[in-house]
Amino acid sequence: DAKTTQPNSMESNEEEPVHLPCNHSTISGTDYIHWYRQLPSQGPEYVIHGLTSNVNNRMASLAIAEDRKSSTLILHRATLRDAAVYYCTLVSGGFKTIFGAGTRLFVKA
Amino acid sequence: KAGVTQTPRYLIKTRGQQVTLSCSPISGHRSVSWYQQTPGQGLQFLFEYFSETQRNKGNFPGRFSGRQFSNSRSEMNVSTLELGDSALYLCASSLSGQRSWETQYFGPGTRLLVL
Repeated sequence: DAKTTQPNSMESNEEEPVHLPCNHSTISGTDYIHWYRQLPSQGPEYVIHGLTSNVNNRMASLAIAEDRKSSTLILHRATLRDAAVYYCTLVSGGFKTIFGAGTRLFVKA
Repeated sequence: KAGVTQTPRYLIKTRGQQVTLSCSPISGHRSVSWYQQTPGQGLQFLFEYFSETQRNKGNFPGRFSGRQFSNSRSEMNVSTLELGDSALYLCASSLSGQRSWETQYFGPGTRLLVL
């Protein structure tokens, strides 16, 4: 199973952009990159996903390296409500999503 | 549209007992996955069901089992509970679980404490 590597924790100031990196050097050509986040005392929630091209939605942007071996989740303006554990996962057909340890994001007011 | 629901939300059991957890997926979703989350091991995949059939399974002992009903609702069962089974058990649903771009929608989880 392809694995992802993320920093254990990151810190950001409120209202500033946050770049959360993820390495996935063993990604296969058909793997989609999905990001989820888990707020305290809740189940994970979907943030964004992509295959090769950069993606934007109302929550975040996803920048994917040209060789697809890494990606970066971008929160354009962090708020206190964005404090959570962010998981970068690789998904191929036939669900068996493997979650790594994730990055705990701290947001300072 | 209602989200994924899990019952019960909290449960206390003693070692050796068995437990059954329930998950109702989002209406129209046919794939249901189960995960175990502990502070030490993080989020670990248990198994995935589609059309009442288990399609994928993680590395858990046979004490962990599940099933899916014709209405896509799913249950998981843990027999002969051990202290290490204390965890948050999460259920996630998706439309088919066969397309890599599908989103999984997670329930709030069932927190199981084994004494």
